[in-house]
Amino acid sequence: AQKVTQAQTEISVVEKEDVTLDCVYETRDTTYYLFWYKQPPSGELVFLIRRNSFDEQNEISGRYSWNFQKSTSSFNFTITASQVVDSAVYFCALTGGRAGNMLTFGGGTRLMVKP
Amino acid sequence: ETGVTQSPTHLIKTRGQQVTLRCSSQSGHNTVSWYQQALGQGPQFIFQYYREEENGRGNFPPRFSGLQFPNYSSELNVNALELDDSALYLCASSDDRGGYYGGYTFGSGTRLTVV
Repeated sequence: AQKVTQAQTEISVVEKEDVTLDCVYETRDTTYYLFWYKQPPSGELVFLIRRNSFDEQNEISGRYSWNFQKSTSSFNFTITASQVVDSAVYFCALTGGRAGNMLTFGGGTRLMVKP
Repeated sequence: ETGVTQSPTHLIKTRGQQVTLRCSSQSGHNTVSWYQQALGQGPQFIFQYYREEENGRGNFPPRFSGLQFPNYSSELNVNALELDDSALYLCASSDDRGGYYGGYTFGSGTRLTVV
């Protein structure tokens, strides 16, 4: 069975600080996909990034960056120079292999960015 | 049509009743998934439909059922409602690749309260 753990339930930072959201996953499959989604107060989940298990290249997109390390089964997400609009709940998710298209989500990390 | 639309946005039902939740998927997306998100938790996979047939199911009892229609709309039906069914129900659509590349597009959800 697949499992995703987000140990940080809530993080509070002041605007312009950098913040890293941790994600640890478990799977027996060799082919899988990892995602990060953002859930603002309006409720919809907004897709941020996808990574497959064969691509450990880290990625930077504007103020966002992701660090995928298979050796530690981690897929961490960093926001540089945080802004109040980044306040939301962030979910890490896993799919693929025997799970098919089912997304297995972590419990989420609530990020609060204060002005 | 872009985006995923869900209706109603909020709903209050009495224990034992039946409810139907509706979703209009993004045009061209043949796969639709339903998720249940209890307060403060990550979404849990209920089931997925691909081209109008069930294509995977999570750990939910048979009183949770669904339909997918050719016009990219779908329904989630829940019979014999229980208090624990109170949650945000999210609909997500993807193209034939199952969200592997572009991720799933989520709706804003239906907030169901069972009293």
